Amino acid sequence: DTGVSQDPRHKITKRGQNVTFRCDPISEHNRLYWYRQTLGQGPEFLTYFQNEAQLEKSRLLSDRFSAERPKGSFSTLEIQRTEQGDSAMYLCASSFPSGGSDYEQYFGPGTRLTVT
Amino acid sequence: AQSVTQLDSQVPVFEEAPVELRCNYSSSVSVYLFWYVQYPNQGLQLLLKYLSGSTLVKGINGFEAEFNKSQTSFHLRKPSVHISDTAEYFCAVSGRAAGNKLTFGGGTRVLVKP
Repeated sequence: DTGVSQDPRHKITKRGQNVTFRCDPISEHNRLYWYRQTLGQGPEFLTYFQNEAQLEKSRLLSDRFSAERPKGSFSTLEIQRTEQGDSAMYLCASSFPSGGSDYEQYFGPGTRLTVT
Repeated sequence: AQSVTQLDSQVPVFEEAPVELRCNYSSSVSVYLFWYVQYPNQGLQLLLKYLSGSTLVKGINGFEAEFNKSQTSFHLRKPSVHISDTAEYFCAVSGRAAGNKLTFGGGTRVLVKP
């Protein structure tokens, strides 16, 4: 068990560019979550998947944001036409519902995005 | 919908002194409660969780928390802190329905001084 991994760890981009982040969950986990954390704030929920199905999206997830989990394993989060307000840490977490005990989410190290 | 309020944004404390971090939540449904710790430039690590049963919950690194349903609180305590406890601490809740997305408080930054 190598934990949740995210790539890249840091991304600097210019306003208007597109960026894509990747998350690899713990291998047997079938739920995957994305959160966004701005400086000095707690993380905010963006979206989650169960296997390949995206089951919930926050209204924070504007139409410039899209997330996929094509084979129910890794996930990607794409931001199109980035804005300075997108600068944040993007956190991925995974969990494994087992007998209803799907409460514990394991977090990756995050991808820090800076939009200049 | 749920919300979480962490009453202190910063808590300075001397090494080996006790610390208490306050957390209040609001929810129309039953919830699970969590405390996470975040070290600089890292993700979140679970300290402890309350699901049901005993209202006093013990976690890693000597931390404990007490669930108080009537006051809708879940305060975190440690009797004696170390320099290595310097970090940001987040209280979080999730509903018990499918999905269990977490709602976080704004965080409390603990600075342990020698």
